[in-house]
Amino acid sequence: NAGVTQTPKFQVLKTGQSMTLQCAQDMNHEYMSWYRQDPGMGLRLIHYSVGAGITDQGEVPNGYNVSRSTTEDFPLRLLSAAPSQTSVYFCASSYSGGEFDEQFFGPGTRLTVL
Amino acid sequence: GDSVTQMEGPVTLSEEAFLTINCTYTATGYPSLFWYVQYPGEGLQLLLKATKADDKGSNKGFEATYRKETTSFHLEKGSVQVSDSAVYFCALTQGSPQLSFGAGTTVTVRA
Repeated sequence: NAGVTQTPKFQVLKTGQSMTLQCAQDMNHEYMSWYRQDPGMGLRLIHYSVGAGITDQGEVPNGYNVSRSTTEDFPLRLLSAAPSQTSVYFCASSYSGGEFDEQFFGPGTRLTVL
Repeated sequence: GDSVTQMEGPVTLSEEAFLTINCTYTATGYPSLFWYVQYPGEGLQLLLKATKADDKGSNKGFEATYRKETTSFHLEKGSVQVSDSAVYFCALTQGSPQLSFGAGTTVTVRA
């Protein structure tokens, strides 16, 4: 199993550009989520999904869109990038979305918006 | 809302030293508590967890006890190694899989 994979590893954008961060998992997990990691702030939840076709907002959803058309994939879209979105982005998944489930994290995407 | 506060870093230690990272939480109910570790250049990995009061989580020589009376979940290891150099995150969930993280503590162990 590859676990949780994310692409790209690094990305530089100009303000106003759009892009999609890819996330895939091969563990047949129902629950997937996106976090951003900023210095001194830990990780904050952006969006999450409890299954294909179902998504919801987390703590910091503004400026980001998601969709979940398959169990395996959960892409994160930035429609018009802003410097405030410079961050490291992590995708995570867990088996059923239970409170006690271990969450598995991808290696992250480091995004810089100029 | 629920929140986690952990000690600020960075923390620098010599090999075989004792490590403690303090973590306290604020929650209205009975959260589950976690420690995640992030090694350089990698994503987060679950280190240990505790799901009810007085539970002790342990893994790789690390331990943490869920103390409801002090709302704490301090991480300890008796003898650290260079390979323990990482960022450690305390986190909680309550009623859902959404993790609330502390700010993270960077630990560097010198040979």
